[in-house]
Amino acid sequence: AQKITQTQPGMFVQEKEAVTLDCTYDTSDQSYGLFWYKQPSSGEMIFLIYQGSYDEQNATEGRYSLNFQKARKSANLVISASQLGDSAMYFCAMREGSGAGSYQLTFGKGTKLSVIP
Amino acid sequence: GAGVSQSPSNKVTEKGKDVELRCDPISGHTALYWYRQRLGQGLEFLIYFQGNSAPDKSGLPSDRFSAERTGESVSTLTIQRTQQEDSAVYLCASSLEGGRVFDEQFFGPGTRLTVL
Repeated sequence: AQKITQTQPGMFVQEKEAVTLDCTYDTSDQSYGLFWYKQPSSGEMIFLIYQGSYDEQNATEGRYSLNFQKARKSANLVISASQLGDSAMYFCAMREGSGAGSYQLTFGKGTKLSVIP
Repeated sequence: GAGVSQSPSNKVTEKGKDVELRCDPISGHTALYWYRQRLGQGLEFLIYFQGNSAPDKSGLPSDRFSAERTGESVSTLTIQRTQQEDSAVYLCASSLEGGRVFDEQFFGPGTRLTVL
């Protein structure tokens, strides 16, 4: 079974509008972390935001916020006031806090976001 | 400060040849990771180094792949007898500790490997 599922291969958003990128995850661990990375066409991976499984409040970083619904195992990324520079691939990733491989990130397949002027 | 660097940025090789990819982590980072990203896909974990501990090689796809790290410094990923399916971008990341759930991984720019 996929540990990280991103169901939107591509998304379009009008400049200055908000957009939500979906991510669901699967784990039996109680301790885990969820990450979002941005990958522009240049290829580098840019860390955006982190949510820990024990964090009670949704994470926010500037225009990025994470809509964390633990019972539904979803961790959607919300980008407010989209800018042309937000056009990129976005990856959701999880790190499970116990057991073998607890330090590696498991990535979803990504969502390609295109911001329209 | 310097980020994670990787070399070469691009490598084109012929099927059957060996290649060596290099990663220089951020100074002071004890944890180092290699990932592979095939075209249009997410990243796949390959190998993890933490200080002087034995590396976790559980993600290496075959025995043609190996990696070494000198202390808490440079790492090299070697692919022997390359195959066309090895064509991908190989990304290296480093982090401060590696042992906590939140431990931000800083990625290098990657090496794009093309096997003809």
